[in-house]
Amino acid sequence: GQNIDQPTEMTATEGAIVQINCTYQTSGFNGLFWYQQHAGEAPTFLSYNVLDGLEEKGRFSSFLSRSKGYSYLLLKELQMKDSASYLCAVRALNSGNTPLVFGKGTRLSVIA
Amino acid sequence: SAVISQKPSRDICQRGTSLTIQCQVDSQVTMMFWYRQQPGQSLTLIATANQGSEATYESGFVIDKFPISRPNLTFSTLTVSNMSPEDSSIYLCSVYHRGFSNTEAFFGQGTRLTVV
Repeated sequence: GQNIDQPTEMTATEGAIVQINCTYQTSGFNGLFWYQQHAGEAPTFLSYNVLDGLEEKGRFSSFLSRSKGYSYLLLKELQMKDSASYLCAVRALNSGNTPLVFGKGTRLSVIA
Repeated sequence: SAVISQKPSRDICQRGTSLTIQCQVDSQVTMMFWYRQQPGQSLTLIATANQGSEATYESGFVIDKFPISRPNLTFSTLTVSNMSPEDSSIYLCSVYHRGFSNTEAFFGQGTRLTVV
């Protein structure tokens, strides 16, 4: 089966750095995605990892270790607008048309 | 990127009725995916809609309850039939399109359904 785990909630201070972890057990692997979802809105793409290592994109970075089934999303210089749910998703099979399997999401609250 | 127009954006429906959600994409795509997001939960895949063939449903979802149409490569509908309060959710359509990851998933704005 497919299983993706991430913390339910996190709180961090404006200007700080926060790391959101994600572990996965899937029948195959063809990429890991991070999405941001504000309340009442659709998810929007943040990052993608298919090879081991760190991908940096402005204030957001994402790391992947395929051998450990582990990823994290790093958010730097936190802003109030970063308060949202962050969804970890895996494309489990080796096909570009395989639907994503989502974790339950981590609700991040940024406080002053 | 792909632009997806989904409607209605929200609706309040009586139990026992049906609602059809439409999803229009600005480019041709092979597959369209329908997800459900119940309050406070993550996205659960309902089915994959293929043009010219029957939709493929995930475990726990059946065609009689969630019939899907896919008449062409840019359009799909999902119907939520004989609704009950447990069907109150956000319903999202999604497609893959060339993006940062070469095949990135894009989402419609979602349909927030409340069944009373």
